[in-house]
Amino acid sequence: DGGITQSPKYLFRKEGQNVTLSCEQNLNHDAMYWYRQDPGQGLRLIYYSQIVNDFQKGDIAEGYSVSREKKESFPLTVTSAQKNPTAFYLCASSKVAGGQETQYFGPGTRLLVL
Amino acid sequence: AQSVTQLGSHVSVSEGALVLLRCNYSSSVPPYLFWYVQYPNQGLQLLLKYTSAATLVKGINGFEAEFKKSETSFHLTKPSAHMSDAAEYFCAVSERPGGSYIPTFGRGTSLIVHP
Repeated sequence: DGGITQSPKYLFRKEGQNVTLSCEQNLNHDAMYWYRQDPGQGLRLIYYSQIVNDFQKGDIAEGYSVSREKKESFPLTVTSAQKNPTAFYLCASSKVAGGQETQYFGPGTRLLVL
Repeated sequence: AQSVTQLGSHVSVSEGALVLLRCNYSSSVPPYLFWYVQYPNQGLQLLLKYTSAATLVKGINGFEAEFKKSETSFHLTKPSAHMSDAAEYFCAVSERPGGSYIPTFGRGTSLIVHP
């Protein structure tokens, strides 16, 4: 079955540590996205990528970094510069970026700070 | 710039009652509009979307939404609520070429269904 996988389901970060969240898709989609979800704030866009080796900042990119070396993979690193990283992180993909394209979401990773 | 407002962070209905979740949008060009549903600790899945064909859009699980340009609204309805409809619902807008094409999401509405 085609879909998006995110790992791990839960991730714990210590003070000053960088952590990387994995996102893989086998839908052959060109576009991929990372969102942060906090209670009552909806989904806020962190980064998106329209094609391999290209990505753009979203609304809240500070303290995060991404790479897109392969079409199927779009890992997100939460750096120590992100002072409030506790949130639910969602990865999504679509055939092409935006417009009328449906986004397909992974099951999410919950990041907690120790 | 595009934006979405979902009125009511929580909506509570009895099983069998009408469900109405409100969404108003702002867009500088004709929009595409989406409703997604999220069950606890899961990702989002598409319920339905408006892409300029029929203004009344039917989706999965008996939901439908009507695009009203004059009211800049895209409210989600279901005639009879079921316990399994309890979830978080998100409205999203993206714009056609010339506007902002990456979707913007509303803050979500939590639907509570009472037996």
